[in-house]
Amino acid sequence: DARVTQTPRHKVTEMGQEVTMRCQPILGHNTVFWYRQTMMQGLELLAYFRNRAPLDDSGMPKDRFSAEMPDATLATLKIQPSEPRDSAVYFCASGLKRDSGPPDTQYFGPGTRLTVL
Amino acid sequence: AQKVTQAQTEISVVEKEDVTLDCVYETRDTTYYLFWYKQPPSGELVFLIRRNSFDEQNEISGRYSWNFQKSTSSFNFTITASQVVDSAVYFCALSEATGSARQLTFGSGTQLTVLP
Repeated sequence: DARVTQTPRHKVTEMGQEVTMRCQPILGHNTVFWYRQTMMQGLELLAYFRNRAPLDDSGMPKDRFSAEMPDATLATLKIQPSEPRDSAVYFCASGLKRDSGPPDTQYFGPGTRLTVL
Repeated sequence: AQKVTQAQTEISVVEKEDVTLDCVYETRDTTYYLFWYKQPPSGELVFLIRRNSFDEQNEISGRYSWNFQKSTSSFNFTITASQVVDSAVYFCALSEATGSARQLTFGSGTQLTVLP
């Protein structure tokens, strides 16, 4: 039963600290998405990768957030410096997008619950 | 721009009752895809179904059924004989076929509570 994995599951940190969240997409998937979920904003897309290349990161605060895919099995989302308003659940999702096919179904990881004090 | 509206913020039913979760969407595309996800108390988002805009056949999977009505831009989800384990937040989402992002636009979710 293939699943998206995310680490850590929970993170509590102090304002100003760097936070790194990791995601392992389902083997064979070529798209990776990062979402943030808060009570006020719901689910927001932060970044989207296809074949490890960033295609859309318009939802991400550029000054403090960065997303990368060092290889096909690892995606990272970094916040530096973190702020209390970054407290949220961060989800990673992966899918398989074929060139001429429909949008991929996204399979979500369990999320990282981030609390910035 | 695409938009998904789930007008029901919270629904509470007693076990074995049927319940329908509403989803209304807006899009300018003629080709688009609709999804339902379940988020149980554990927090994971679980994929339930994907439908494309050309297929208006209703879908049934066990106690779950989906009614896609293009004329009213709705994609409603019915749980028959609800169970306590169905308690979760349910999200409807839309993805347009154009553009490179293929992002999902989520509704605000419906919190379903099934009481024993």
